[in-house]
Amino acid sequence: EAQVTQNPRYLITVTGKKLTVTCSQNMNHEYMSWYRQDPGLGLRQIYYSMNVEVTDKGDVPEGYKVSRKEKRNFPLILESPSPNQTSLYFCASSLSAGGTDTQYFGPGTRLTVL
Amino acid sequence: QQQVKQSPQSLIVQKGGISIINCAYENTAFDYFPWYQQFPGKGPALLIAIRPDVSEKKEGRFTISFNKSAKQFSLHIMDSQPGDSATYFCAASIYSAAGNKLTFGGGTRVLVKP
Repeated sequence: EAQVTQNPRYLITVTGKKLTVTCSQNMNHEYMSWYRQDPGLGLRQIYYSMNVEVTDKGDVPEGYKVSRKEKRNFPLILESPSPNQTSLYFCASSLSAGGTDTQYFGPGTRLTVL
Repeated sequence: QQQVKQSPQSLIVQKGGISIINCAYENTAFDYFPWYQQFPGKGPALLIAIRPDVSEKKEGRFTISFNKSAKQFSLHIMDSQPGDSATYFCAASIYSAAGNKLTFGGGTRVLVKP
């Protein structure tokens, strides 16, 4: 089944404790992206990747890091989480960075930073 | 500053009624306007999309109306069903060297009462 998977689905952590949220897609997609979803703000892009070893900042990159060492994986790293990073996070992928390519979203990771 | 403004934040409609969600954008460079549907606990999924050279697009019970001069577009859900209860996001994208970057509206929670 073609899908985007994220782990963990739920995470409660404390301020300053480094964490990684994994994202993997099995569709051989080139383009991958991370979003955070907050009430009333919709989804905002954190980072994106056009292909392996090619990443760039989205609209809200502060406090986050990413890497793209393999085509299928795009982990999101919070090196020193803070309470304002409590949010619902989604990974998405599309075949290419083409203008009308559909982005497929993972099931989400709900993160709480105490 | 949200580049895509969505209203209402929530709406309740009776089964068989029409749900209407409106979005307005500012950036005239946007060239693709998808709508995403999100069920609780799931990631957003593409519902229907339109290009700015088309004034209306219909897929089943879902219709997008697009007014380029007013920089507005809307989603109409005809004959609303309880299974349509979900959160709907409008979005706009620009294809650039940075890829297909989606800018989302704030979302509308739709409840269809049986």
